[in-house]
Amino acid sequence: AQRVTQPEKLLSVFKGAPVELKCNYSYSGSPELFWYVQYSRQRLQLLLRHISRESIKGFTADLNKGETSFHLKKPFAQEEDSAMYYCALPRNYGQNFVFGPGTRLSVLP
Amino acid sequence: DGGITQSPKYLFRKEGQNVTLSCEQNLNHDAMYWYRQDPGQGLRLIYYSQIVNDFQKGDIAEGYSVSREKKESFPLTVTSAQKNPTAFYLCASSIQAGVLEQYFGPGTRLTVT
Repeated sequence: AQRVTQPEKLLSVFKGAPVELKCNYSYSGSPELFWYVQYSRQRLQLLLRHISRESIKGFTADLNKGETSFHLKKPFAQEEDSAMYYCALPRNYGQNFVFGPGTRLSVLP
Repeated sequence: DGGITQSPKYLFRKEGQNVTLSCEQNLNHDAMYWYRQDPGQGLRLIYYSQIVNDFQKGDIAEGYSVSREKKESFPLTVTSAQKNPTAFYLCASSIQAGVLEQYFGPGTRLTVT
């Protein structure tokens, strides 16, 4: 069964420091993974998807099939990056997602 | 910002009462979803609907019911059979099932006492 794990419930970094939010998955085949973000008092929204290979708000994520990981990275964290981050994996032939438990990122001044 | 609306934002009910949460979208999306968000558990899928008059159970459907009589509406009823109904409920939609970008509503926080 498809599964997504995010080992860190809370990650605190100082402004300007690099940040890496971990995501591991279990899936047979070639997955398309997503990162969603929820800022305080805002809706959950798509941050990036690996297939587009874009950098959004300075974040990137690389799919590592060998390690079954899709870690989210940013070289220099900003205070406005503080939010809840969810990694998501499609299942049932793309009919819906399974979400990880989420990591709360806190960027300290 | 419109798109998907959920009402009300906060809802309080007594134990033993059924309650219906509203979800409406004007994006002309075929697929709609209901999730429950609990701290430390992420989003768990309750029900989803790929098209009007069709819906499927998600991972935690017990104690919940839905209907999809109109494309733009996907109400969720939390019944008295749901053992731990107090939670934050999120509705989402996507253009169609299989198109994986989902758009989320603002959520409804339900408190049952």
